[in-house]
Amino acid sequence: DAGVTQSPTHLIKTRGQHVTLRCSPISGHKSVSWYQQVLGQGPQFIFQYYEKEERGRGNFPDRFSARQFPNYSSELNVNALLLGDSALYLCASSAVAGVFQETQYFGPGTRLLVL
Amino acid sequence: GESVGLHLPTLSVQEGDNSIINCAYSNSASDYFIWYKQESGKGPQFIIDIRSNMDKRQGQRVTVLLNKTVKHLSLQIAATQPGDSAVYFCAENRGGSNYKLTFGKGTLLTVNP
Repeated sequence: DAGVTQSPTHLIKTRGQHVTLRCSPISGHKSVSWYQQVLGQGPQFIFQYYEKEERGRGNFPDRFSARQFPNYSSELNVNALLLGDSALYLCASSAVAGVFQETQYFGPGTRLLVL
Repeated sequence: GESVGLHLPTLSVQEGDNSIINCAYSNSASDYFIWYKQESGKGPQFIIDIRSNMDKRQGQRVTVLLNKTVKHLSLQIAATQPGDSAVYFCAENRGGSNYKLTFGKGTLLTVNP
């Protein structure tokens, strides 16, 4: 069975540019969450989407946005990139959101480097 | 410059020994806890979870203990193997909402052959 997949695996951008990261959840999972992991730290929650609607948002600026598509895949967009946006961006999927606790399963991440 | 990795708690054990990784959480409203294993260059891998109405849960070679009185969580790994070497994170889900996991700092486990 395929797990959570993310693309691209690595990305290099320059300050001020825009980036789009993509995620496909585990088959049957309807919820996708995005996390940012800076080197040496634990993942920090950015967004959760369920049935194409935003269910939660972390403490990130409006430069960060996301959406979920009818097939439950998701995109994370970051505008006006800053050096501090360099991180591993993780996508996690779960079967249900907001009803009862469901385990979140993570993808391999997209390593973003902003120069 | 200083590496943020120097601030990561570390645990070094011999192959075959048991490992205990500890985690403190701050929010008494947290009701769901998960341990993840993260190998270098990979995403976090689910190990085991526990709900707040339980004190202990066992999996294959792993046991999670939850002490709500002192807000403490531990992961015990039996007969630690070199493949267990990784960073281990505890994560908590606060207030019953599934939408946000809050991760701890992480512990680097090194297993010496």
